[in-house]
Amino acid sequence: SAVISQKPSRDICQRGTSLTIQCQVDSQVTMMFWYRQQPGQSLTLIATANQGSEATYESGFVIDKFPISRPNLTFSTLTVSNMSPEDSSIYLCSSSSGSHEQYFGPGTRLTVT
Amino acid sequence: AQSVTQLDSHVSVSEGTPVLLRCNYSSSYSPSLFWYVQHPNKGLQLLLKYTSAATLVKGINGFEAEFKKSETSFHLTKPSAHMSDAAEYFCVVKTSYDKVIFGPGTSLSVIP
Repeated sequence: SAVISQKPSRDICQRGTSLTIQCQVDSQVTMMFWYRQQPGQSLTLIATANQGSEATYESGFVIDKFPISRPNLTFSTLTVSNMSPEDSSIYLCSSSSGSHEQYFGPGTRLTVT
Repeated sequence: AQSVTQLDSHVSVSEGTPVLLRCNYSSSYSPSLFWYVQHPNKGLQLLLKYTSAATLVKGINGFEAEFKKSETSFHLTKPSAHMSDAAEYFCVVKTSYDKVIFGPGTSLSVIP
């Protein structure tokens, strides 16, 4: 199973600013995913990040708001841009590499004031 | 299209009694199904998975789930609840594009 770390673990940000979240996997993986978990809610997929190609965004999420990078097979970043209080959530990354399951990072708890 | 329904948003059991968390799925083909657990302020942990092998799947911490195609169900059970089982549980179905869809979650409380 892959071990995933995320930075930062939490942050408090001012509205209108941007935050970049880093996700590091301890092995090479083909697919990485970014999720949002709003308070008291389930996880919603933001986008799929494949190395060497543009990220694929789910309905309701756009690149301008959530730009994603995937420079290699072990690393990805998600930026939350021009933040508002509605962006306060836990952001999680996960990885998949041919097996059926996904493994998740510990999450980044974001509070926007 | 695939979807997941968790029939109970909250379940409360006494310590030492059985746990049943219900999950129904919708899929146009034979699905891969998972249960994940999320303890407060912790990450998601995979409990068990079904990937078209044995229909009774055993997971970690004494949990198991049975895939019933005729009922489109994948209920999670444990014979005896422990205080440490109190957490949020998510039933998850894999789609055809390696993405997964999370159910709404069931919050399990264990009463001493």
